[in-house]
Amino acid sequence: DAEITQSPRHKITETGRQVTLACHQTWNHNNMFWYRQDLGHGLRLIHYSYGVHDTNKGEVSDGYSVSRSNTEDLPLTLESAASSQTSVYFCASSSGGHSYEQYFGPGTRLTVT
Amino acid sequence: DQQVKQNSPSLSVQEGRISILNCDYTNSMFDYFLWYKKYPAEGPTFLISISSIKDKNEDGRFTVFLNKSAKHLSLHIVPSQPGDSAVYFCAAPRSGNTPLVFGKGTRLSVIA
Repeated sequence: DAEITQSPRHKITETGRQVTLACHQTWNHNNMFWYRQDLGHGLRLIHYSYGVHDTNKGEVSDGYSVSRSNTEDLPLTLESAASSQTSVYFCASSSGGHSYEQYFGPGTRLTVT
Repeated sequence: DQQVKQNSPSLSVQEGRISILNCDYTNSMFDYFLWYKKYPAEGPTFLISISSIKDKNEDGRFTVFLNKSAKHLSLHIVPSQPGDSAVYFCAAPRSGNTPLVFGKGTRLSVIA
């Protein structure tokens, strides 16, 4: 069965460290998204991609970067982790076109100490 | 600005009764809406959607109503079950093939 996976599921890192969160989907979807979920804020878009080599900034992109070298993966990198980036991160994908439905991964809980 | 608003952070309902979750939007260009359900430690899962050409869409115990003139939609769950206890997010694409804008969510607790 097609799926979307994230790794690691939990991560603790120190302030200033570079961290990369992995997202892998086997739906063969063109569109991939990264969100963060924080209490009182719901789901906020960080970055998204509509295809290989395409990346776009979302509403909370500062301090984050992504790259899309193939259809299946969209890793999210925190260049220099900050305590404000402690959050739960969700990756999602969609087929695009007239389908708005996004399929979400299980999430990565990141703690920056 | 928050284009999709869920003004009730939480809702408690007795098992067997109706749960009504509300969502308001400000952008009149929104023409498609989705509801997602999220359990703790899991990713959100798609629940039901509605196009602006309809005012109602039903799927089993779940019905979404859309009032375009009021820029308001609601999710009805009848009858509510303890397994429905979760956070529910309302979402809409800004336009065309664009990322979804999510509300802040409403935590539903169904009490047995």
